[in-house]
Parts: sequence; structure tokens; C-alpha cells
Amino acid sequence: EDQVTQSPEALRLQEGESSSLNCSYTVSGLRGLFWYRQDPGKGPEFLFTLYSAGEEKEKERLKATLTKKESFLHITAPKPEDSATYLCAVQFSGGSYIPTFGRGTSLIVHP
Amino acid sequence: DAGITQSPRHKVTETGTPVTLRCHQTENHRYMYWYRQDPGHGLRLIHYSYGVKDTDKGEVSDGYSVSRSKTEDFLLTLESATSSQTSVYFCAISEAGETQYFGPGTRLLVL
Repeated sequence: EDQVTQSPEALRLQEGESSSLNCSYTVSGLRGLFWYRQDPGKGPEFLFTLYSAGEEKEKERLKATLTKKESFLHITAPKPEDSATYLCAVQFSGGSYIPTFGRGTSLIVHP
Repeated sequence: DAGITQSPRHKVTETGTPVTLRCHQTENHRYMYWYRQDPGHGLRLIHYSYGVKDTDKGEVSDGYSVSRSKTEDFLLTLESATSSQTSVYFCAISEAGETQYFGPGTRLLVL
């Protein structure tokens, strides 16, 4: 069973159509939750770190929020250049502290 | 952008041959990681290092070894490459073991 689950696996939006991506985790004891963006053929690029429930971070059209068991990446009025795979990683407070990655959400924004 | 380079960027090799991938950083970060990324699996940790000569296994370490003789370099070796090791390999670095910065990736094809 995956400890970190991202949904949906794929999302197609029209330009300007706002939506949200979800990252949920099953293990208790969150140390940190990370969002990355990955363009085809490139390495993941860091976006946000969240540490505690209620925390929010924003960058341009992206806003990340965190509750006790999940995080949302809200995309407001997306543009085609927002098309990418968005990865979530969770660092748990027990064990080795190595972040566990979800499988990602592939976002395509049509003009 | 974090100063991370990977070499080679592309490699084609034959089953049974040894392969070494190199990750080089100019950020003086303590932590370095090797991941592989495959369709349907996302990013999976192979090995990581928490200091010079200090390394540990990840979830998919079988068939791989690593070495870190100086802060800036982290080598991943496939002792005898197999077709199942065809993948895209990413190196990542982290200053404090939390937010990670990824390299551009190495595409490896084992025939």
C-alpha cells in the first residue's frame, strides 16, 4: 500500500479553468510535505514546503495548503505553461526522514 | 538553480557490463540521493548519502552500489547491468535532509 497517494493521475483543463490536485498520506507524524513540478525530460523542480496543518504557500497561480492528512495544490486560472507533472513528497517524523514520493499528477492545460 | 550536474546524460549499454553514473554538486550540501523514475512507479530511492563515506540503502538498492569519497561527488554503479535497470536516473541534493534539488537526469538503456 502506498504511503503517499496523489489524485487524479491525470488532469486536463482548459486555460483559465481553476482546479486542485490532491496529495494524501497514511502514516502519522508529518515532518514536512513538499511539492515539485516536473517538465518532460527534466528533473523535478522544487515548489513548496509545508510543515503544519493550516499552513499555506503561494507562488504565482499556485497555492499549496495542508490539513492533517492531505495537501492540495490549487491552480488558479491556469495557462498552458502550467502543463507539467506535479509531484508530492512526504517526510515522516519516524524512521530515516527520507521523503516518500507519490506517483504524481500529470496536468495538461489546453489553450 | 542548484548546481547539480549528472554525467553521462544518456547511455546505451549491454547486459552484463558495468556502468557508473556520476553526480556532481557545487552547493556543498550534506545529503545526496540517487533515484530511478519509471512509468507507473514514480520516483524510487536507490541509495542516499548523509556525508562523505556515509551511505545507506533505499527501497530499490539491489544491483546498485554507491560511493562518496568527497562532498561534491556521488557515484552510482551498476555492477552488471540488466534490462530491468533501464530507466531515468536522478540525483538530488539537500542541505538539511528536507527540501531536495534535483539534477537533469541520466537516461540509461540496457540492451
